[in-house]
Amino acid sequence: QVQLVQSGAEVKKPGASVKVSCKASGYTFTNYGISWVRQAPGQGLEWMGWISIYNGNTNYAQKFQGRVTMTTDTSTNTAYMELRSLTSDDTAFYYCARGDPENGKTDYWGQGALVTVSS
Amino acid sequence: DIQMTQSPSTLSASVGDRVTITCRASQSINNWLAWYQQNPGKAPKLLIYKAFSLESGVPSRFSGSGSGTEFTLTISSLQPDDFATYYCQQYDVYPYTFGQGTKLEIK
Repeated sequence: QVQLVQSGAEVKKPGASVKVSCKASGYTFTNYGISWVRQAPGQGLEWMGWISIYNGNTNYAQKFQGRVTMTTDTSTNTAYMELRSLTSDDTAFYYCARGDPENGKTDYWGQGALVTVSS
Repeated sequence: DIQMTQSPSTLSASVGDRVTITCRASQSINNWLAWYQQNPGKAPKLLIYKAFSLESGVPSRFSGSGSGTEFTLTISSLQPDDFATYYCQQYDVYPYTFGQGTKLEIK
């Protein structure tokens, strides 16, 4: 069965960086992409960007350009999202989700990783 | 960016009711629209993609319709598990934006 398992909760200080991992299993990793979506406590969903596992192409939301990097490791079927220069506004659950490049749907989601930014 | 506007923000209903949630896009999105259900503390769950295609395993009481800029999610007969928050998302143009969410509450 398809599973996306994310790394655990993190607490970071303002100005620091965080790198969240997302390990995929149960499907051919390189046939899909990974989207990253975040959700601040009590708020709605915010799309951060997408990475194609096949060729590594990325597309980031303008809001995060220059501050986010999405990568993959096909040897371990793991996707990563690094966010730099953290502020308290970055406190949120960060989700990875599988994207099907053929029909565009985002069908399987990780369990989420809580990143707390606090001094 | 394409703005996605859901209505209502909150909806109170009873088990067995038929409910409809609307999502409007600020420009045409060529039916590249998904609906998700999210329960507290859980990841979103895909219900509908390409505006009206039911995701595998999702009960048939959920349906999607619409085209162009206006879309609806209908639940034909509410069940207790359906009380959750629902989001629409366009995936026609980057960035793939979400609606603000509709919280479905028990009346």
